[in-house]
Amino acid sequence: DVKVTQSSRYLVKRTGEKVFLECVQDMDHENMFWYRQDPGLGLRLIYFSYDVKMKEKGDIPEGYSVSREKKERFSLILESASTNQTSMYLCASSLAQLYQPQHFGDGTRLSIL
Amino acid sequence: ILNVEQSPQSLHVQEGDSTNFTCSFPSSNFYALHWYRWETAKSPEALFVMTLNGDEKKKGRISATLNTKEGYSYLYIKGSQPEDSATYLCAFNDQAGTALIFGKGTTLSVSS
Repeated sequence: DVKVTQSSRYLVKRTGEKVFLECVQDMDHENMFWYRQDPGLGLRLIYFSYDVKMKEKGDIPEGYSVSREKKERFSLILESASTNQTSMYLCASSLAQLYQPQHFGDGTRLSIL
Repeated sequence: ILNVEQSPQSLHVQEGDSTNFTCSFPSSNFYALHWYRWETAKSPEALFVMTLNGDEKKKGRISATLNTKEGYSYLYIKGSQPEDSATYLCAFNDQAGTALIFGKGTTLSVSS
């Protein structure tokens, strides 16, 4: 079974802090994704990566950056956290082929105070 | 901007009822249509990936159909059970890239 592990289930940070959300997958998947989920808005793509050191902006990249130094790990970075970044963050991974399903982590509920 | 619409937004049924919901997507540049089930406090789980017009997939009491020419997919649940309570997401792949475009989901609640 594919395992996608997010480092924290719940996280509370302060405005202005630099925040790191970590995601690790154990199935050698090429693609990795970061989404945020907000009530009434559904899952929105922040960034994705199709290979080590490669990244592509999603629909809402502003205020975020990502890092993929190793194939199994994809980090989401909030450069200077703001209250409007309070949300549920989900990481996912998939094989390279276009119609492969994505496998999701359990999510990190992040609160910015 | 590509848009994926799901309806209804939510519904409540009784145990044993059969139900269905709809996903609408752009019919041009279609590559694949995904369905996911997302139970509370769990991670989204892939149900089906469909790529061909007329595709039908089945998993137990859940099935899905695909019409790429008119841009819609139906998800059917036969004889709903309380454990079917979840949010059902559909997502669309176009030919442009690897990212999925998700609908906002249909939240199903099944009472016993």
